[in-house]
Amino acid sequence: DGGITQSPKYLFRKEGQNVTLSCEQNLNHDAMYWYRQDPGQGLRLIYYSQIVNDFQKGDIAEGYSVSREKKESFPLTVTSAQKNPTAFYLCASSIRTGYQPQHFGDGTRLSIL
Amino acid sequence: GENVEQHPSTLSVQEGDSAVIKCTYSDSASNYFPWYKQELGKRPQLIIDIRSNVGEKKDQRIAVTLNKTAKHFSLHITETQPEDSAVYFCAASKGGATNKLIFGTGTLLAVQP
Repeated sequence: DGGITQSPKYLFRKEGQNVTLSCEQNLNHDAMYWYRQDPGQGLRLIYYSQIVNDFQKGDIAEGYSVSREKKESFPLTVTSAQKNPTAFYLCASSIRTGYQPQHFGDGTRLSIL
Repeated sequence: GENVEQHPSTLSVQEGDSAVIKCTYSDSASNYFPWYKQELGKRPQLIIDIRSNVGEKKDQRIAVTLNKTAKHFSLHITETQPEDSAVYFCAASKGGATNKLIFGTGTLLAVQP
């Protein structure tokens, strides 16, 4: 969906470095999500946010942090505490929570140098 | 914990044949079941979804069926075409305040021309 923009498309992290992945949406969606995708596995939820200034941990939040200061933005920081960060990261949004379809961005592929 | 099992992991069909992908969920409170199609290196795209108050939903060549008693749901693609080749993910959610999706591990569908 053109309304969700993730950047950069590719990102490389050095040992001990924090990196931040950007996710911006212009769909006026309240809810936003971050997923991690590893080869041969389904998507796993890292963090989600239902409203500005509020966010909740997902299933694999350790080593990650987020913020939600603006409705349209939900950046994800991969900290040095995340020992296996190499993965494809997908951001999604939905109008609100409940039975609402989630729409995804194009993803960021993070690799270790 | 919550779990969604998806089978088969790979599926090869001849163009024009039908394809069926099956998912089983563990949490009986799940009541929203979307299906996503993901082409290589691209974002997952919602292709169809169903709520628990409906047993079947159809959209052109794609249909989803739900058996709440058995806790499984299936994706049916008829008259397959080469452009249907992709990885398909099922997911389950309890809706509500989080709309947290639990994803299956994906099915790689290859449609042979």
